[in-house]
Amino acid sequence: QQQVKQSPQSLIVQKGGISIINCAYENTAFDYFPWYQQFPGKGPALLIAIRPDVSEKKEGRFTISFNKSAKQFSLHIMDSQPGDSATYFCAALSTSGTYKYIFGTGTRLKVLA
Amino acid sequence: DTAVSQTPKYLVTQMGNDKSIKCEQNLGHDTMYWYKQDSKKFLKIMFSYNNKELIINETVPNRFSPKSPDKAHLNLHINSLELGDSAVYFCASSQAGDSPLHFGNGTRLTVT
Repeated sequence: QQQVKQSPQSLIVQKGGISIINCAYENTAFDYFPWYQQFPGKGPALLIAIRPDVSEKKEGRFTISFNKSAKQFSLHIMDSQPGDSATYFCAALSTSGTYKYIFGTGTRLKVLA
Repeated sequence: DTAVSQTPKYLVTQMGNDKSIKCEQNLGHDTMYWYKQDSKKFLKIMFSYNNKELIINETVPNRFSPKSPDKAHLNLHINSLELGDSAVYFCASSQAGDSPLHFGNGTRLTVT
């Protein structure tokens, strides 16, 4: 019940295309869902986050779509660029718990020039 | 200014040795963490401290001992290193609630 399932494991997209990464969770106590971006040799960095009281959040080319009833959320990267090539992690947190973020297994995105 | 800094960046050592990794954050956060990232990039929490008190201790061998001298520092000491300890170890910090995690750039530990 503590898992966050992430797919796909890897993704190759042409420059200008849309990258979509999906995550699903079981624990209904989760109430904060961030996405992290990690470049080689660096730590993960927050990209965008959403709370379950909204169904969508957009920041520039990055959008989170959230389906509370299905317990799923996804990251959409519009107009994907080679600089977006990185590993992406979804995560979930229960803010009334012990600050324990649960991470998905990661998606390696490669955007071809 | 680096928000979460950890040292060393690389650590190569032999089996059976003892080593330490240091972490400092200058964000004023109350909570600090150690995460382990294996070769498949899986991120797994090991420990979390809130205001110097241990609040999360996952199923980690007791060869791993975290120490938080103050809320800005969280160090990780590893005894009797094993081959399976080879990984990248990340320190992170956050405030309470839905505050995002801020990660350091990791320490790549290689045990030979």
